[in-house]
Amino acid sequence: DTGVSQDPRHKITKRGQNVTFRCDPISEHNRLYWYRQTLGQGPEFLTYFQNEAQLEKSRLLSDRFSAERPKGSFSTLEIQRTEQGDSAMYLCASSSSGTTDTQYFGPGTRLTVL
Amino acid sequence: GNSVTQMEGPVTLSEEAFLTINCTYTATGYPSLFWYVQYPGEGLQLLLKATKADDKGSNKGFEATYRKETTSFHLEKGSVQVSDSAVYFCALNHPGQGAQKLVFGQGTRLTINP
Repeated sequence: DTGVSQDPRHKITKRGQNVTFRCDPISEHNRLYWYRQTLGQGPEFLTYFQNEAQLEKSRLLSDRFSAERPKGSFSTLEIQRTEQGDSAMYLCASSSSGTTDTQYFGPGTRLTVL
Repeated sequence: GNSVTQMEGPVTLSEEAFLTINCTYTATGYPSLFWYVQYPGEGLQLLLKATKADDKGSNKGFEATYRKETTSFHLEKGSVQVSDSAVYFCALNHPGQGAQKLVFGQGTRLTINP
């Protein structure tokens, strides 16, 4: 499978715990994006990398959230001291700057904070 | 800022009916426009796209035309099937202005009855 993959697919945690999600983009894609989707809404942009550089962060990305892409390949999104309001689907997408920059999405990680 | 507005759902149709899902956008210049589809239990999939005015995107019998004069990108299909039941998202980005992130509408849930 050469699509975008995310791990885990589901995560249940207790309020106050830290969680980390991983995204593996399509191998030749140099751009990687994180979005958050809550029930009944469209995805909202969180942050974006080109290679290993984090080029844009949304105001939604509070200081409890941190994203990395250390070698320009996979990325991790960490949420510290989770809150119930963090419950959502976290989506990763990747694209190539050399083409029309169409973003392809992974299956998402569903986070439930109890 | 850039924004997308979709017709509110849910939309329920009978098989073989004609489908239109309205989408309008607010952006300066010429953004790229997309329709994504989310089938039950699956991730977002790109359905079609258009990158300049008067372009028509098409895929799987769906079509949408980029109308600059009405800032619209309505999704149409001549004869829907039960398998088209899903949530449809209109989105834009603006790579020409350095805005790579996708901005999504709220989604329209479509149910097709046999």
